[in-house]
Amino acid sequence: KAGVTQTPRYLIKTRGQQVTLSCSPISGHRSVSWYQQTPGQGLQFLFEYFSETQRNKGNFPGRFSGRQFSNSRSEMNVSTLELGDSALYLCASSPLRTSGASSSYNEQFFGPGTRLTVL
Amino acid sequence: AQSVAQPEDQVNVAEGNPLTVKCTYSVSGNPYLFWYVQYPNRGLQFLLKYITGDNLVKGSYGFEAEFNKSQTSFHLKKPSALVSDSALYFCAVRDGGNYQLIWGAGTKLIIKP
Repeated sequence: KAGVTQTPRYLIKTRGQQVTLSCSPISGHRSVSWYQQTPGQGLQFLFEYFSETQRNKGNFPGRFSGRQFSNSRSEMNVSTLELGDSALYLCASSPLRTSGASSSYNEQFFGPGTRLTVL
Repeated sequence: AQSVAQPEDQVNVAEGNPLTVKCTYSVSGNPYLFWYVQYPNRGLQFLLKYITGDNLVKGSYGFEAEFNKSQTSFHLKKPSALVSDSALYFCAVRDGGNYQLIWGAGTKLIIKP
């Protein structure tokens, strides 16, 4: 099976612009999570989608949004970019079968990330 | 509040020696614990997990972790370190109530030849 893919791999934007990142999960995986990784803050959870529904959201401002499509592909959008948004954005998929509590057992499979630089 | 702590920013080990990367956690219910590794310029890779059962969990690349409920710890171990084990290691705990993974800050493991 192909792994999790993320596009683009690298992105340079200026303050005030907006950006859309894309993630294609492993075939058959219905759960997609997004994380922001920075040297100072480590891994910060952004949101998780399961079957097109956002079921969990981290502590990020409303400028950060996401969605999931019927084929499980996901996008995240950041509007009005700030310098502090420069980071590696990681997408992860998980082979969850249901949205129930047992889904907590599963490991996540990560993509290589999108390196966003805001100038 | 749920949390994960990796008390060491960096661990240095000589090749061939045993290694330990520490992780402690705080959750309200039963913990679901994970270890991931990140090699330079690559995404994270799953190493192992503890859900229930034996306290000693074996994972990929010869790694294992010991769950200690009384000490709320889940330390990662390997009997004999390899230079190729040098990477960034993350401990994470899943809060079963809202499915969110809570991550430690990461520990940089350096194995010297």
